[in-house]
Amino acid sequence: AQKITQTQPGMFVQEKEAVTLDCTYDTSDQSYGLFWYKQPSSGEMIFLIYQGSYDEQNATEGRYSLNFQKARKSANLVISASQLGDSAMYFCAMREGGETSGSRLTFGEGTQLTVNP
Amino acid sequence: DAMVIQNPRYQVTQFGKPVTLSCSQTLNHNVMYWYQQKSSQAPKLLFHYYDKDFNNEADTPDNFQSRRPNTSFCFLDIRSPGLGDAAMYLCAISERDHMMNEQFFGPGTRLTVL
Repeated sequence: AQKITQTQPGMFVQEKEAVTLDCTYDTSDQSYGLFWYKQPSSGEMIFLIYQGSYDEQNATEGRYSLNFQKARKSANLVISASQLGDSAMYFCAMREGGETSGSRLTFGEGTQLTVNP
Repeated sequence: DAMVIQNPRYQVTQFGKPVTLSCSQTLNHNVMYWYQQKSSQAPKLLFHYYDKDFNNEADTPDNFQSRRPNTSFCFLDIRSPGLGDAAMYLCAISERDHMMNEQFFGPGTRLTVL
């Protein structure tokens, strides 16, 4: 079974508008971390935001916020006031477990976001 | 300043000719990872080092090997590249191998196999 599911292969948004990128996850662990990364066409993976499974507040980092709904196992990324430079591939990822060797980062298939002027 | 440096950014090799990709870091983080990312796909973990301890993923082909001579450097060796090994190779670092620790990625090396 897929551990991370991103159901939107592509999304379009008008500049200055907000956009939500969906992510659902599957785990039986009580402790896990959820991450969002941005990958521009240049290829570098840029860390955006982190949400821990025990965090009660939704994470926010500037224009990025994570809408964490634990019961639904969803961790959607909200980008407010979209900019042309936000056009990129966005990956949702999860790390399970505690401090053990091999808590690998599992990625979803990604969502290609295009911001239109 | 870049935290993770990968050289070269673009590498062209011939079918079957060994190739080495390089990764270095400026943060002295304990963990270094190598990912393979094929076109329009998610990154796939090949292996990682926790300090000097090497951890291979079960489905990583024997063709891929890695060395970490010191904290700062990690190398990916592809012994006999095939056409299917053409991909972006991403190096990442993490302070610890813990669910709370984000991984910081380098810019990647795009490998072409002729």
